Amino acid sequence: DIQMTQSPSSVSASVGDRVTITCRASQGLNSWLAWYQQKPGRAPKLLIYATSSLQSGVPSRFSGSGSGTEFTLTISSLQPEDFAAYYCQQGHSFPLTFGGGTKVEI
Amino acid sequence: QVQLQESGPGLVKPSETLSLTCTVSGGSISNYHWNWIRQPPGKELEWIGCMYNSGSTKYNPSLQSRVTISVDTSKNQLSLKLSSVTAADTAVYYCARNGDNGWFFFFDWGQGILVTVSS
Repeated sequence: DIQMTQSPSSVSASVGDRVTITCRASQGLNSWLAWYQQKPGRAPKLLIYATSSLQSGVPSRFSGSGSGTEFTLTISSLQPEDFAAYYCQQGHSFPLTFGGGTKVEI
Repeated sequence: QVQLQESGPGLVKPSETLSLTCTVSGGSISNYHWNWIRQPPGKELEWIGCMYNSGSTKYNPSLQSRVTISVDTSKNQLSLKLSSVTAADTAVYYCARNGDNGWFFFFDWGQGILVTVSS
């Protein structure tokens, strides 16, 4: 199985801050990496797929980058509605696996 | 836009079989690949398995011996059966759809259903 390691596990930030979350894979993924946002009591929501493609309707302050085994999600200017948990997911090989999550807190 | 809705018992006894249904609206279930994903309370997400639009399946090896995913195209429904459940199977269960290109990212999700395993 491909292990996905996210860091940090939590981050304290303020509105307007730039936030970067890192996801490392135990083997190369090419570009088969996605990011999800999850708010309490809600289903995850796809933000970024194929490393850097912005899902329709997602604000442009979200961006993704990386290749191989290291990937990042950046929120350029944190908004109040962005306080949530974020997960990476590899779509390279079965079983599909997720990172442990990063909680973005005030 | 495709919408998904999970349904089924919220409480299952240990050693019994968990059975859930995902009803798809706004599109034909035959056009996409479908997945079940679960999340124990306060923990990370775990992919359970998928049903290709061809009808073939792929399961997480950690659950493979206990899982069956199937589709009823006449009802536009996806189903999940997980046998011999224990407390470790307590989780919110989600159904999710792959993208139009077939890539294994999850573009649409159901709202999820909490299933508790307890006597």
